[in-house]
Amino acid sequence: QKEVEQDPGPLSVPEGAIVSLNCTYSNSAFQYFMWYRQYSRKGPELLMYTYSSGNKEDGRFTAQVDKSSKYISLFIRDSQPSDSATYLCAMGDSSASKIIFGSGTRLSIRP
Amino acid sequence: DGGITQSPKYLFRKEGQNVTLSCEQNLNHDAMYWYRQDPGQGLRLIYYSQIVNDFQKGDIAEGYSVSREKKESFPLTVTSAQKNPTAFYLCASSTPPSRNHQPQHFGDGTRLSIL
Repeated sequence: QKEVEQDPGPLSVPEGAIVSLNCTYSNSAFQYFMWYRQYSRKGPELLMYTYSSGNKEDGRFTAQVDKSSKYISLFIRDSQPSDSATYLCAMGDSSASKIIFGSGTRLSIRP
Repeated sequence: DGGITQSPKYLFRKEGQNVTLSCEQNLNHDAMYWYRQDPGQGLRLIYYSQIVNDFQKGDIAEGYSVSREKKESFPLTVTSAQKNPTAFYLCASSTPPSRNHQPQHFGDGTRLSIL
């Protein structure tokens, strides 16, 4: 079993829809949780970074962490065609000497 | 502007050849990392360095080598021993995990192909 599981998609939704992206993990030691957005032929760009359970909001993006269920989510409100990209979840433990990445979900927003 | 610069953007390797990928950062980060990304797979850690003149193997270090002579630079050499080098290589940096953990920031990658 992989330490981090992420549905690869592709996920296609109409413009303006709410998007929900998810990852599950098996290591209860993970304490740091991140979401990255990666456009084609580009490096990952940090979108959200959270340390604890609960919600964190930044503009149209909300990151949610449920440590009891070992489940994290990224919600995108009022989705735009420019949100079309691959979204990677990532997480690390308290030493954080190594970060584990999900395989990424490819998202397409239809105009 | 602070950031991470990787060069070249595209690189081609002949059989038996060693090639070196460049990574430079001006974020004043102590820690630097090299990852390999293959289609449909997550990022896999090749090597990382938390301080100048020190580095550790990641999960897939075989066939690769690194050096860390300067804080700003962390070049990766793909040797002829790496039999399947075709991939997208990503360099990242951060403050050291032991000191007030901050997330990693990435460059825009180098795509390596075999001729």
